[in-house]
Amino acid sequence: DSGVTQTPKHLITATGQRVTLRCSPRSGDLSVYWYQQSLDQGLQFLIQYYNGEERAKGNILERFSAQQFPDLHSELNLSSLELGDSALYFCASSALAGGSTDTQYFGPGTRLTVL
Amino acid sequence: AQTVTQSQPEMSVQEAETVTLSCTYDTSENNYYLFWYKQPPSRQMILVIRQEAYKQQNATENRFSVNFQKAAKSFSLKISDSQLGDTAMYFCAFMKQRNYGQNFVFGPGTRLSVLP
Repeated sequence: DSGVTQTPKHLITATGQRVTLRCSPRSGDLSVYWYQQSLDQGLQFLIQYYNGEERAKGNILERFSAQQFPDLHSELNLSSLELGDSALYFCASSALAGGSTDTQYFGPGTRLTVL
Repeated sequence: AQTVTQSQPEMSVQEAETVTLSCTYDTSENNYYLFWYKQPPSRQMILVIRQEAYKQQNATENRFSVNFQKAAKSFSLKISDSQLGDTAMYFCAFMKQRNYGQNFVFGPGTRLSVLP
């Protein structure tokens, strides 16, 4: 158990809908990262937040947005869902904003299925 | 842009034997970090080992060690005394150090099966 929690574990929805994925980092960690793991694209970095502010951006679609709240939990919002958005979405947390010793600990993931 | 290649989609090894997983990457950066993550059937992503590019000494964590060849841009993972619990997908990852955040690039993964 990494100490990172994600809810829900599974989510099934329809095309065009909007969903929110939630992540609680390990106690004391200030950074939260979001990743998408799909069969055809592999594991892709989406975005990083550090202490409430966006720090790094990867291959995140404009239909997707994220935020980190004052209590450091984070939410990933996915809108106008398409079939291709079906994937496993991971959240990770780390103590700092980056650096060689700043290990990322991954949560168990949320499996999103878009029908 | 950085790319990470894992040329072995699947591998198998007998329990107690040694196996090496390959990883190559492409970057113009001089300072960066490399990682191996393990994803067992539970789907949890678990850090196995990490290497700083500025360090010449290869990283070692118990039964796991790396062979880091900076000039060749190669970062292979050696698993000694393989155990059934090592069965998992293994991802090689590259991270370019930024002042303001991290950005991982993952390889496509190698599925390792440890056979009894």
